[in-house]
Amino acid sequence: NAGVTQTPKFRILKIGQSMTLQCTQDMNHNYMYWYRQDPGMGLKLIYYSVGAGITDKGEVPNGYNVSRSTTEDFPLRLELAAPSQTSVYFCASRKPGVPEQYFGPGTRLTVT
Amino acid sequence: GESVGLHLPTLSVQEGDNSIINCAYSNSASDYFIWYKQESGKGPQFIIDIRSNMDKRQGQRVTVLLNKTVKHLSLQIAATQPGDSAVYFCAENPRNAGGTSYGKLTFGQGTILTVHP
Repeated sequence: NAGVTQTPKFRILKIGQSMTLQCTQDMNHNYMYWYRQDPGMGLKLIYYSVGAGITDKGEVPNGYNVSRSTTEDFPLRLELAAPSQTSVYFCASRKPGVPEQYFGPGTRLTVT
Repeated sequence: GESVGLHLPTLSVQEGDNSIINCAYSNSASDYFIWYKQESGKGPQFIIDIRSNMDKRQGQRVTVLLNKTVKHLSLQIAATQPGDSAVYFCAENPRNAGGTSYGKLTFGQGTILTVHP
């Protein structure tokens, strides 16, 4: 299994641009998550999904959108990029009833 | 410019020593807690979890202790090795008002562990 994969690895955006961060998992996990990690900080939850077609907000959802059309994919959309969205973004997945979340390698995003 | 990362708690140990990393959590309704290890440029890697109805759990070279009275969690690493050098995060999984939890983890700030050969 490849586990959780994320693309791109790095991206530089100009203020106001939009982009989609891709996340795919091949473990057939129902639960998927998007976190952001600012320098020197822990991760903060942006959005999560408990299954295809079901998404909900986390702690810091403003400026982001998600969709979950399949079990495997959970893309994160930034519509109007702002410097405050400069961060490293991690996607994770897990099975119901099991605490362990499997994380992807992250996407480093810079907005200038 | 100043890096917020410089303000992370740090722990330096010699190879072979035991390490203890501490964490204070906030939500008394959390039903489990997890320790993650994060190496530079990588995603967090699961180490061990502990349910709220336990006070101790052991894994391979690691022990997690939970003190619910003072909302404190610790990770003990035995015979620390240079490969253990990383940032360590504790995370809690709070239940919502209805008692359901969805794995919406709340992470601590992290502790930098440096192991000297």
